[in-house]
Amino acid sequence: NAGVTQTPKFQVLKTGQSMTLQCAQDMNHNSMYWYRQDPGMGLRLIYYSASEGTTDKGEVPNGYNVSRLNKREFSLRLESAAPSQTSVYFCASSGSIAGGSTDTQYFGPGTRLTVL
Amino acid sequence: KNQVEQSPQSLIILEGKNCTLQCNYTVSPFSNLRWYKQDTGRGPVSLTIMTFSENTKSNGRYTATLDADTKQSSLHITASQLSDSASYICVVSAYQAGTALIFGKGTTLSVSS
Repeated sequence: NAGVTQTPKFQVLKTGQSMTLQCAQDMNHNSMYWYRQDPGMGLRLIYYSASEGTTDKGEVPNGYNVSRLNKREFSLRLESAAPSQTSVYFCASSGSIAGGSTDTQYFGPGTRLTVL
Repeated sequence: KNQVEQSPQSLIILEGKNCTLQCNYTVSPFSNLRWYKQDTGRGPVSLTIMTFSENTKSNGRYTATLDADTKQSSLHITASQLSDSASYICVVSAYQAGTALIFGKGTTLSVSS
């Protein structure tokens, strides 16, 4: 039982390049999330997927796209990377996303992305 | 505006000592409050989740309290260990459609020997 896995662990891009961050969970969770974490700021939600086949914008979606490939996998794509997207990206999953849910969120180890 | 404020921003204590971290929130309608521990270079790990009706919840040497009337929570760490050095994040969930988790910026705890 690996929990939530993310690839790659580190990535350096040049401005304008594109890339996809991969996330997979093996806990049969319905809901998955992408966050970014910047120094001095709390985790901020980029996109989430309440269940397979659905995706919704979070707090900071601009410059990103997501795909919920199946129940296990949720990918985050940067079409044209910008230096402002330099950050640590975390994927998370939980059983339910319903408002007020007390389901535990499980986080992956993170992807450290630098955009030059 | 829904907000979660944590204090202090950082804290240094000696191994074996106790400490208390604070979390104040203005989130409505309130559903539950969570504390996470985040080790350097890793993802956050859930410590406790408390609903409106729960005042105290423990997880080993970690004890969280919640006062829903004053909208305050605290995380008390007893007999600190070097492995407690981490960032502690308070997260408040609101009753609303979609995901409504509001994250605090965290308190960085350093435990020294």
